[in-house]
Amino acid sequence: EAGVAQSPRYKIIEKRQSVAFWCNPISGHATLYWYQQILGQGPKLLIQFQNNGVVDDSQLPKDRFSAERLKGVDSTLKIQPAKLEDSAVYLCASSPRSLEGRSPLMNTEAFFGQGTRLTVV
Amino acid sequence: EDKVVQSPLSLVVHEGDTVTLNCSYEVTNFRSLLWYKQEKKAPTFLFMLTSSGIEKKSGRLSSILDKKELFSILNITATQTGDSAVYLCAVEANYGGSQGNLIFGKGTKLSVKP
Repeated sequence: EAGVAQSPRYKIIEKRQSVAFWCNPISGHATLYWYQQILGQGPKLLIQFQNNGVVDDSQLPKDRFSAERLKGVDSTLKIQPAKLEDSAVYLCASSPRSLEGRSPLMNTEAFFGQGTRLTVV
Repeated sequence: EDKVVQSPLSLVVHEGDTVTLNCSYEVTNFRSLLWYKQEKKAPTFLFMLTSSGIEKKSGRLSSILDKKELFSILNITATQTGDSAVYLCAVEANYGGSQGNLIFGKGTKLSVKP
């Protein structure tokens, strides 16, 4: 079974530039998550989709971050404009269904991609 | 303010050594404590602890929770170079909503030398 695919693996941009990350979840997984993990910290949930609808985006910095999941399959996460503090690994995860109040970090039904390491200089 | 503190921040040992990683917490609405191993990818789930004094064991790894003293330890016996990783401790707080809430420590970076 193919896993969660993310691209690119690495990205270096200058501050104030824009960047987009792509995630292709496991086929048939209805729920998709984007996490930001800054060096030395645990992952922080940015946004959760259920099919193509947003379930939780309370920690997404909406002035510069946006995400979409058109057609309820692939998802893109965009940062415009980027700041130095956005340097982090961006993780995408998917699960076959909503995990009913539990994080995918606690559930073996959820699968993570390899992540995109963003460096803003 | 909720917080999770791990110690030590880094540790270097030799193969065959036994290590103990520490995690203390101050969290309201405690629900569970989790340990993860993270290499160059997303964290890998190791243990979830909800009850005091009950040891969870998986191969050479074991963990126990003390809810009275608000800490947990992760033990690794007969360490191998493949155990080199960052070990993250997280506490799940029950604040309702769609996700609950995971509060992470900064991790312990373990390096196992041959």
